[in-house]
Amino acid sequence: EDKVVQSPLSLVVHEGDTVTLNCSYEVTNFRSLLWYKQEKKAPTFLFMLTSSGIEKKSGRLSSILDKKELFSILNITATQTGDSAVYLCAVVSTYNFNKFYFGSGTKLNVKP
Amino acid sequence: GAGVSQSPSNKVTEKGKDVELRCDPISGHTALYWYRQSLGQGLEFLIYFQGNSAPDKSGLPSDRFSAERTGGSVSTLTIQRTQQEDSAVYLCASSRDGRYNSPLHFGNGTRLTVT
Repeated sequence: EDKVVQSPLSLVVHEGDTVTLNCSYEVTNFRSLLWYKQEKKAPTFLFMLTSSGIEKKSGRLSSILDKKELFSILNITATQTGDSAVYLCAVVSTYNFNKFYFGSGTKLNVKP
Repeated sequence: GAGVSQSPSNKVTEKGKDVELRCDPISGHTALYWYRQSLGQGLEFLIYFQGNSAPDKSGLPSDRFSAERTGGSVSTLTIQRTQQEDSAVYLCASSRDGRYNSPLHFGNGTRLTVT
């Protein structure tokens, strides 16, 4: 059974801390892995990763994929209260259709 | 439109009633997805439309759930004889072409509460 597991489920840090969020997967016909940030309503797209070892970076956020060990990490440096959100990981599998399998998310709370 | 639009944003209904949820994808996007998010849970895939192909309905939890997409654009998710366990946020997403390298763009969702 295809699955995506995120850890930790929740995390509380203080502003300025660095956090690492994990996403591991077991999906047949893997094609890509995506990270989303969900604050109140619509998840918003952060990164898409298709190749191992190539870091994607946007400001204080960065992510990397390991296709051999089947996981990805999302790093956030110098966290701010605006980073508080649920971070979702999704893996795309291509069998008959392109299915996006989502993990249950990591809830990050950044305290002032 | 500029983004994925869903309506209504909130819906409260009595158990046993039917509801219709609407999704208007980003203009030009050929792929459309419906997901369900229960409190504290991840996104559960429901159904996927791609162009004129037959939809992938493998995620629909029961035959009370159905969806259609007219003219390759607007989609309607219908839940018949609603049950309390149907209470959740129903998210619609679209992507440019449904390919693995086309990210999903989500709407704000419809929060459904069945009393």
